[in-house]
Amino acid sequence: EIVLTQSPATLSLSPGERATLSCRASQSVSSYLAWYQQKPGQAPRLLIFDASNRATGIPARFSGSGSGTNFTLTISSLEPEDFAVYYCQQRSNWPGTFGLGTMLEIK
Amino acid sequence: QVQLQESGPGLVKPSETLSLTCSVSGYSISNDYYWGWIRQSPGKGLEWIGSIYHSGSTNYGPSLKSRVTISLDTSKNQFSLELTSVTAADTAVFYCVRTRSSVGYFDFWGRGTLVTVSS
Repeated sequence: EIVLTQSPATLSLSPGERATLSCRASQSVSSYLAWYQQKPGQAPRLLIFDASNRATGIPARFSGSGSGTNFTLTISSLEPEDFAVYYCQQRSNWPGTFGLGTMLEIK
Repeated sequence: QVQLQESGPGLVKPSETLSLTCSVSGYSISNDYYWGWIRQSPGKGLEWIGSIYHSGSTNYGPSLKSRVTISLDTSKNQFSLELTSVTAADTAVFYCVRTRSSVGYFDFWGRGTLVTVSS
């Protein structure tokens, strides 16, 4: 089973700043990685799939990059609604697995 | 717009069977896609439980495989989860989801339902 390690566990930033979140896989997942956003009391929402493709309706300030074992989610300029928990997920190997998340909080 | 909605008891006794149903609107589950369940608990994070293809074939995660059954009811446009012999460790928020493949990304989610295992 592939383990996904997300860092940092918590990221404190202000609106307007740039956020960089990391996800590292225990073995290569090629580009088969997604990012989700979860707000309190809500289900996760798919943001990015196949490492760099934005899902339907996702703003352009969200971008993903990486391949193999190292991936990054970047939010170019934080909006107030972006403060949430972010998870990565791989679908390269069965079973698909999730990271434990990065909490993005307002500084 | 595809919408999923979980329903079922919020409290289950230890050793009993947890049963949840997901009602789907905006799409016929018999047309395509895999339909599945994910749970989220403070201790284990997000965990994929299993999925069922529109044809009825199933795929279960390794940790729960011996206790899980997922089934379809196309006449009601619903699918269901049964988890047997539950313990307190099974307490979690359960989400029903849609995905394009047996190991896929999850593009539509229900709002989630909290199931507590306690006597």
